[in-house]
Amino acid sequence: GNSVTQMEGPVTLSEEAFLTINCTYTATGYPSLFWYVQYPGEGLQLLLKATKADDKGSNKGFEATYRKETTSFHLEKGSVQVSDSAVYFCALGAGNNRKLIWGLGTSLAVNP
Amino acid sequence: DADVTQTPRNRITKTGKRIMLECSQTKGHDRMYWYRQDPGLGLRLIYYSFDVKDINKGEISDGYSVSRQAQAKFSLSLESAIPNQTALYFCATSDGAGLGYTFGSGTRLTVV
Repeated sequence: GNSVTQMEGPVTLSEEAFLTINCTYTATGYPSLFWYVQYPGEGLQLLLKATKADDKGSNKGFEATYRKETTSFHLEKGSVQVSDSAVYFCALGAGNNRKLIWGLGTSLAVNP
Repeated sequence: DADVTQTPRNRITKTGKRIMLECSQTKGHDRMYWYRQDPGLGLRLIYYSFDVKDINKGEISDGYSVSRQAQAKFSLSLESAIPNQTALYFCATSDGAGLGYTFGSGTRLTVV
């Protein structure tokens, strides 16, 4: 069946460091892929998405490229800020996105 | 006003009590979802509904029930609360068009 695996946290970085959070998936067909972010005390927010192979989603300096050959959708940011401290979730939508399949989340802490 | 509103934000209840968590949305979306979030376990789907007459069990529906009173309202009930239902509960909506989910801010439920 469909599944999402993302790197375990917590990830701790210094401000302006480069961020990569790995996400790989297993799916039949051609799923849509999403990254959501959850800031402390809040609900999840859609950060970016990609709907087909080689698409690149981007938002707020974050990027992720849909790689069908490696079944991956890694999240990257060139220079993190303290305000990026949050939990990041990778998700997969298949079958008209009836239900999203979620990774377990990766906690990111950015220190000044 | 928030697109997806959950009430209450926080609730402490006793074992054996019945409790209802409410969710309303102004997005006009047909699809609504209830999730619970536990540390280390990510998001787990409790129930989902694709329209007023469509209710589906998720992966952890035991001990929970739902009611879709209108397109905009989807409530979650714990008929007889138990301590291992202590968690953060999220409601989410989707239009099913691949644009992702919109989440409420969550209800933190503690069962003592």
